[in-house]
Amino acid sequence: EPEVTQTPSHQVTQMGQEVILRCVPISNHLYFYWYRQILGQKVEFLVSFYNNEISEKSEIFDDQFSVERPDGSNFTLKIRSTKLEDSAMYFCASSPDRGREKLFFGSGTQLSVL
Amino acid sequence: AQSVTQPDIHITVSEGASLELRCNYSYGATPYLFWYVQSPGQGLQLLLKYFSGDTLVQGIKGFEAEFKRSQSSFNLRKPSVHWSDAAEYFCAVGDGAQKLVFGQGTRLTINP
Repeated sequence: EPEVTQTPSHQVTQMGQEVILRCVPISNHLYFYWYRQILGQKVEFLVSFYNNEISEKSEIFDDQFSVERPDGSNFTLKIRSTKLEDSAMYFCASSPDRGREKLFFGSGTQLSVL
Repeated sequence: AQSVTQPDIHITVSEGASLELRCNYSYGATPYLFWYVQSPGQGLQLLLKYFSGDTLVQGIKGFEAEFKRSQSSFNLRKPSVHWSDAAEYFCAVGDGAQKLVFGQGTRLTINP
């Protein structure tokens, strides 16, 4: 089965630094998402992206966050100035359709902000 | 607002025993409901989903779930668990396959 690939699997950064989390969605998919899971808490929706623009974002997704599809294959999440509370597992997902197709999730990037 | 409650944080069952993981949801319309499983170091894998129709849905790995509108529940079941079923299980509700609201998760431990 095709997979969503996320790199790196673990990222350690200092508070205030910028980080970029990378994702390669499944090649024929059109809808892209980021979710995150803070340790011990629920998986939370961050943002959805379609046709090179954000289609929906949560309250968590403030000005410190941005997403980009810089080329035909990658989908990135940038955090401009990381905070301690940004430490979480970040999941990328993609879907071929906005309707009833399932989301394909990557294995996640564990971000640790020190 | 949409919400999902998984009342059991951690469940332990013996290998070969039956399993039921509980999920209750709050949603204003007919919900789309999902169960995902997360094994250590892995992503979220879809077990099954309910959109409409038959309220008993079959999924992968021998799992099934039953949608009960009157109880706002979507419990996951398996008649006989295997050691490889040890994982974290997440119930989710959403509008189509877009923005999903997840429950807290239930960690399943299997005793040999």
